[in-house]
Amino acid sequence: KAGVTQTPRYLIKTRGQQVTLSCSPISGHRSVSWYQQTPGQGLQFLFEYFSETQRNKGNFPGRFSGRQFSNSRSEMNVSTLELGDSALYLCASSFSGGEGYTFGSGTRLTVV
Amino acid sequence: ILNVEQSPQSLHVQEGDSTNFTCSFPSSNFYALHWYRWETAKSPEALFVMTLNGDEKKKGRISATLNTKEGYSYLYIKGSQPEDSATYLCASPVRDGQNFVFGPGTRLSVLP
Repeated sequence: KAGVTQTPRYLIKTRGQQVTLSCSPISGHRSVSWYQQTPGQGLQFLFEYFSETQRNKGNFPGRFSGRQFSNSRSEMNVSTLELGDSALYLCASSFSGGEGYTFGSGTRLTVV
Repeated sequence: ILNVEQSPQSLHVQEGDSTNFTCSFPSSNFYALHWYRWETAKSPEALFVMTLNGDEKKKGRISATLNTKEGYSYLYIKGSQPEDSATYLCASPVRDGQNFVFGPGTRLSVLP
């Protein structure tokens, strides 16, 4: 079966711009979680969507937002980009959320 | 705040050596402990799910044990091979069925 698909793989943006990242989960998986990894940091939880509703949220500013569509695909948006937002953003899907993840390959965002 | 720690931060071993590393987590309110392997330029891949009533888990040359009373899990690799080179992550859910907190990882390099 197809894995978790994240697009785009790489992205370069300028400070102040906004960006939208996309994640298509494994078919049948209803939970989509987003994580950020920056150099020297572990995976930091951003938020989780389940059945089109945000179920959990990490400690990130309001510039980070997301949504989930009826087909479980999820998008993550970052507005007013800062240099510190440069990171690898990973999406992970699971059937219900607690049984462990299948990860996508990530989107590497560089803010210049 | 749930804190998951891993040691050592990095490890270099010779091909054929056996090795192990540690994941530490709060022993109270344990729900589960997940191990992932993350190879460079790939997605994190699930290895084991350790549960409260679980025994040692094994997959080929890799095995994991769990001690919930003292709050740690060990990952063992027997006869390390260069293809075992990766970052090994452990993660624990904040609450049952909720998002995971990841440790910083142990980066393993197996030298031929």
